[in-house]
Amino acid sequence: GQNIDQPTEMTATEGAIVQINCTYQTSGFNGLFWYQQHAGEAPTFLSYNVLDGLEEKGRFSSFLSRSKGYSYLLLKELQMKDSASYLCAVMDSNYQLIWGAGTKLIIKP
Amino acid sequence: GAVVSQHPSWVICKSGTSVKIECRSLDFQATTMFWYRQFPKQSLMLMATSNEGSKATYEQGVEKDKFLINHASLTLSTLTVTSAHPEDSSFYICSARDAGGHAGELFFGEGSRLTVL
Repeated sequence: GQNIDQPTEMTATEGAIVQINCTYQTSGFNGLFWYQQHAGEAPTFLSYNVLDGLEEKGRFSSFLSRSKGYSYLLLKELQMKDSASYLCAVMDSNYQLIWGAGTKLIIKP
Repeated sequence: GAVVSQHPSWVICKSGTSVKIECRSLDFQATTMFWYRQFPKQSLMLMATSNEGSKATYEQGVEKDKFLINHASLTLSTLTVTSAHPEDSSFYICSARDAGGHAGELFFGEGSRLTVL
């Protein structure tokens, strides 16, 4: 079967750095996506990785290792507004998105 | 970025009535739209994939006669929850794929929170 694993919840301190991991097993691979979802709102796109390596976009970076079926989302200089759920999703060989359950990130002052 | 508008944002209805939710892509053509539902503290659950001009593809366990999906144009898809019951209360979200962008970059509507009394 196909599955995406990511931690259920993480806690970090304002101003610090946090890394949210995602491992996946899918039938084929056409890219990995990270989305941010604040409570009661729809998800918003953060990043897309299809090649191995690190993609940096401001305070957020996303890393991919296809051979290990592994990705992480790195958030730097954490702000209170970063408190949200972070969803990892993988596009399989049929171009269908397989979603992880999301990681709830709690930022403390 | 591309904008997807979903309406209504909130709806409260009586048990047994039907509710229609609209999803529009405002500045791009969306040949494919997706409908999800999300229960509190849970991730998105794909209900169906809506393709313009053809029948929707429903995920296993989703009743096609209860959740009617119509995708009559390249910018509009509708989800109708028929004979709604309290267990249908949920957050319903649509997303659309921009044919000109990444295949997996989805643009989400604001979501519709349905409460069935």
